[in-house]
Amino acid sequence: GAGVSQSPSNKVTEKGKDVELRCDPISGHTALYWYRQSLGQGLEFLIYFQGNSAPDKSGLPSDRFSAERTGGSVSTLTIQRTQQEDSAVYLCASSSHRTGGMEETQYFGPGTRLLVL
Amino acid sequence: AQTVTQSQPEMSVQEAETVTLSCTYDTSESNYYLFWYKQPPSRQMILVIRQEAYKQQNATENRFSVNFQKAAKSFSLKISDSQLGDTAMYFCAFMNSGNTPLVFGKGTRLSVIA
Repeated sequence: GAGVSQSPSNKVTEKGKDVELRCDPISGHTALYWYRQSLGQGLEFLIYFQGNSAPDKSGLPSDRFSAERTGGSVSTLTIQRTQQEDSAVYLCASSSHRTGGMEETQYFGPGTRLLVL
Repeated sequence: AQTVTQSQPEMSVQEAETVTLSCTYDTSESNYYLFWYKQPPSRQMILVIRQEAYKQQNATENRFSVNFQKAAKSFSLKISDSQLGDTAMYFCAFMNSGNTPLVFGKGTRLSVIA
């Protein structure tokens, strides 16, 4: 079946502009995660959605970052008033809700590379 | 908070040889999962192997195997018969049980040399 997809693949924007990054999880996966991969910080957790529960936003670095997940499927990560330090690869992953076995394994999309000039 | 440490920023290995990548972690939990992911230049994070902490038997996937030492909190990855396609960044990751975010190490860049 289809894997996790993300769009756009690459995004170049000017400092101060807003950007939206999209993630389509694997069909049937109820858990969705956003991570950021940057040279200085490695891979960092940003936000996590599980079914209809309130999202875990504990990893968001500032209030300029927000995310939503519509209909329990597609998710959009929005960065407002982008700064140069937001330049990174943004990775999305999804997993099944059931615990135990391979269901909890997170499967990643190809990422969006964001460059803020 | 859990932490994951990969002490080898870069490694190289000759084609067909065996290489071991190190990973240690810190947690007070007793039930958790450990993963190795591979990230080639294409940027796609690919699952290599996973280990459940409650299982004593080390996981294996073809040429990939782990040495899981729970008491020592160590989780090394052994790649046998290395191939050029194994060239990539390798990340060790920790997850508490129950669909929670992954905690990653800084990664090890592996180069397989012909």
